[in-house]
Amino acid sequence: GAGVSQSPSNKVTEKGKDVELRCDPISGHTALYWYRQSLGQGLEFLIYFQGNSAPDKSGLPSDRFSAERTGGSVSTLTIQRTQQEDSAVYLCASSSQGSGPQHFGDGTRLSIL
Amino acid sequence: GESVGLHLPTLSVQEGDNSIINCAYSNSASDYFIWYKQESGKGPQFIIDIRSNMDKRQGQRVTVLLNKTVKHLSLQIAATQPGDSAVYFCADLRGDLGSSNTGKLIFGQGTTLQVKP
Repeated sequence: GAGVSQSPSNKVTEKGKDVELRCDPISGHTALYWYRQSLGQGLEFLIYFQGNSAPDKSGLPSDRFSAERTGGSVSTLTIQRTQQEDSAVYLCASSSQGSGPQHFGDGTRLSIL
Repeated sequence: GESVGLHLPTLSVQEGDNSIINCAYSNSASDYFIWYKQESGKGPQFIIDIRSNMDKRQGQRVTVLLNKTVKHLSLQIAATQPGDSAVYFCADLRGDLGSSNTGKLIFGQGTTLQVKP
C-alpha cells in the first residue's frame, strides 16, 4: 500500500493476556519506529529499527514489551501479561533513512479490561 | 531533562485568519524539527520539517520559523480553513542528549486548533 498499515485497528483484551500488534511500513523504508500515545497526550518513543543495526530499545517501559522486525519489513510489537496502564494507541512509523521525516500509520487502539 | 513543548493547549481562530502555533525546545543540540497534524482517530500526518541550518521554510499555506537563539519554533498557517482543525505537534529528532542521532522523535503535548466558521 501507499502508507504505513497497522493491524488490528482496535484490540480489547483482558488484563494478563498477551497481545501482538502488527506494522507494515512503506515499501522501501529502512527505518521503522514504534510509539505509544495515551489519551490527550503526545507520542512516547518505544523502539526503533534501522536496517540491519541493533534496534534502539531505550523507550520500552518494561521487559513485558518486545518487538521484532522480520526480513527488514514487517514488525510486531508484543506486550506480555498486559496491565491496565498499557491501554493506549500504539503507533508505527517508517522513514526512508534514519533521520528523514517519519510517516505514521493510524495506530492500534489497545484497551485492557 | 530535555523536552519539547507547546505554549498553548488550545488555539481558536476564525476561518480565513492566519494561525500561529508555537513550540519551545530545550535541547540546544537539536538539529531537526518536524510539525505534525493529527485528526481524531488517525495517526500524525507530516506537515513540514526544518533543519537547524535554516531559519524559515515554506510549504503550501504553511511556514515554519526557527529561532535558535531563543530555542523557539512556530508553525504559521495562512487562510485557516475548517479542515485545518486538528491537534498539532512539534517534534525534535534530538531530544535526548544521551543518545546519538538514532532517529527517535521527542514530541510535545500538542496544540488543538479550532477553526470557527
